[in-house]
Amino acid sequence: GAVVSQHPSWVICKSGTSVKIECRSLDFQATTMFWYRQFPKQSLMLMATSNEGSKATYEQGVEKDKFLINHASLTLSTLTVTSAHPEDSSFYICSARELFENEQFFGPGTRLTVL
Amino acid sequence: GQNIDQPTEMTATEGAIVQINCTYQTSGFNGLFWYQQHAGEAPTFLSYNVLDGLEEKGRFSSFLSRSKGYSYLLLKELQMKDSASYLCAVKDSNYQLIWGAGTKLIIKP
Repeated sequence: GAVVSQHPSWVICKSGTSVKIECRSLDFQATTMFWYRQFPKQSLMLMATSNEGSKATYEQGVEKDKFLINHASLTLSTLTVTSAHPEDSSFYICSARELFENEQFFGPGTRLTVL
Repeated sequence: GQNIDQPTEMTATEGAIVQINCTYQTSGFNGLFWYQQHAGEAPTFLSYNVLDGLEEKGRFSSFLSRSKGYSYLLLKELQMKDSASYLCAVKDSNYQLIWGAGTKLIIKP
């Protein structure tokens, strides 16, 4: 149990286009979902936390208008990278947590390359 | 500020034992996690400590001392597949996970 999927697993896009990444909890209700970014050889960086039905809370330095997060249901959250640029190329990972549970379950990640 | 410290890289021999240390300074404490992350993959959960002491799970054990702001992950009978990064993360008073930079563990035959 406790499986989180992400789609797509990798994406290559042109500079200036938008990319949507989906994160789904397959067998539990994810009241809270987290979006992370990880650059090569660096640790996870939390971008935002979203609770189902509420607006996401963004970490300092993360542009909310550039990284649009929607958590409309208990099993799905989406991250849209708008007007992507090469510096947005990174490994994006989502995680999900059930209400009152400690553990976060991670998705397999999405590798974004912006040309 | 909040800070999680762990060694950048460690090397160990197959079949041996290795201990990866983590020290933390956070605003509040609501538990400490260890995750394993293979290159190019997402982290996978290893252990969770909220009370002082040792938690054993197969070849992996995790220890916590809240008074010292210290934890370690102990890996026994090392296998080549244990080569990965090991991430220490602390849940602070706001229940936010504060992540360490990770320790890259290299296993040699």
